[in-house]
Amino acid sequence: DAKTTQPPSMDCAEGRAANLPCNHSTISGNEYVYWYRQIHSQGPQYIIHGLKNNETNEMASLIITEDRKSSTLILPHATLRDTAVYYCIVRVGNTNAGKSTFGDGTTLTVKP
Amino acid sequence: GAVVSQHPSRVICKSGTSVKIECRSLDFQATTMFWYRQFPKQSLMLMATSNEGSKATYEQGVEKDKFLINHASLTLSTLTVTSAHPEDSSFYICSASGGIEQYFGPGTRLTVT
Repeated sequence: DAKTTQPPSMDCAEGRAANLPCNHSTISGNEYVYWYRQIHSQGPQYIIHGLKNNETNEMASLIITEDRKSSTLILPHATLRDTAVYYCIVRVGNTNAGKSTFGDGTTLTVKP
Repeated sequence: GAVVSQHPSRVICKSGTSVKIECRSLDFQATTMFWYRQFPKQSLMLMATSNEGSKATYEQGVEKDKFLINHASLTLSTLTVTSAHPEDSSFYICSASGGIEQYFGPGTRLTVT
């Protein structure tokens, strides 16, 4: 699985959009981009995933560049409860091969 | 999203004993399950991948005889930490996948005294 690079930490003001970048320059054609977040002492929570098109759900939006070498997770209106470690992962979207390898993630702190 | 449960949520055991952790996918069939370990202030480290009905594939450095994994059905995988030692104390997290999506359990905090 391809490696990802994320900034170690970011701050965001409550109510503003949080934009979390991720570089995955060695991503393969059959690898998806996934985002998870982990709040202290809990299991990772699935946020969103995409292959090449931008995606949006009730939690966030995922913007993937045309060359697929980087992506941005957008939390449109961050709240204090969005404070967590955010992990960007690329993995093959196939059951048998699709293990997720975690990097260090980005610690997002939402401030009042 | 899909629900993955783990039991127990926390366990304390004495050194030398074995501990079994269960991971269940509650509303989907998980053909593949993954086991991770997370030490304080570190990221998740993949230990092994298991496919229903076949032997688990362990990551480099993970002892297969110490961390026994059984994936007997499409909704249940178990991790048994055998002859546990204090250095095995960690947060163990399972994950289940039925295809493109992958969901994580809430984790099990193991403390070995």
